[in-house]
Amino acid sequence: DVKVTQSSRYLVKRTGEKVFLECVQDMDHENMFWYRQDPGLGLRLIYFSYDVKMKEKGDIPEGYSVSREKKERFSLILESASTNQTSMYLCASSLDGGYTFGSGTRLTVV
Amino acid sequence: DAKTTQPPSMDCAEGRAANLPCNHSTISGNEYVYWYRQIHSQGPQYIIHGLKNNETNEMASLIITEDRKSSTLILPHATLRDTAVYYCIVRFRNSGNTPLVFGKGTRLSVIA
Repeated sequence: DVKVTQSSRYLVKRTGEKVFLECVQDMDHENMFWYRQDPGLGLRLIYFSYDVKMKEKGDIPEGYSVSREKKERFSLILESASTNQTSMYLCASSLDGGYTFGSGTRLTVV
Repeated sequence: DAKTTQPPSMDCAEGRAANLPCNHSTISGNEYVYWYRQIHSQGPQYIIHGLKNNETNEMASLIITEDRKSSTLILPHATLRDTAVYYCIVRFRNSGNTPLVFGKGTRLSVIA
């Protein structure tokens, strides 16, 4: 089975900190995605990548950046964390139409 | 990707079949119907997908109408652990680099 592993399940950070959320997949998938999920707003796409060193903005990229130096790893970076970035962050990978998601990282910014 | 319409919520008694409908009247000939579910506080999980024939796996069955404008996901013997939000998504098969867009889905509550 494909596994998508997110480095932390729960994270608490202070306002203004630089935050790294890590995601690793083990099935050589080319495509990787970062979503955030908030009550009442559903899943929203932040960034995605379809190849190493390639990245594309999703629907809500503001305040975020990403890094894809290796095929298996896709990092989401909050340059200066703010309280409105408190959310559940979900990473996914895919090869064709089917996606595999990680378990999510619940980030709280205080 | 074609638009889908699902009821916002449904209840099902434990042990009974849960039938979750999805309308996708603008589906094109090469688009597949995918189903995912999201159990509370977890990432979405792939369930099943199909093009035009009915499909079955260990989790569920997918029934697609002959005109392909609607489909039904069937959980044959629902358990409390099937309580989740179920998403019906229509997309092309080889569209792995096109982001998955989630609607609001159907919140299924399985009741003891």
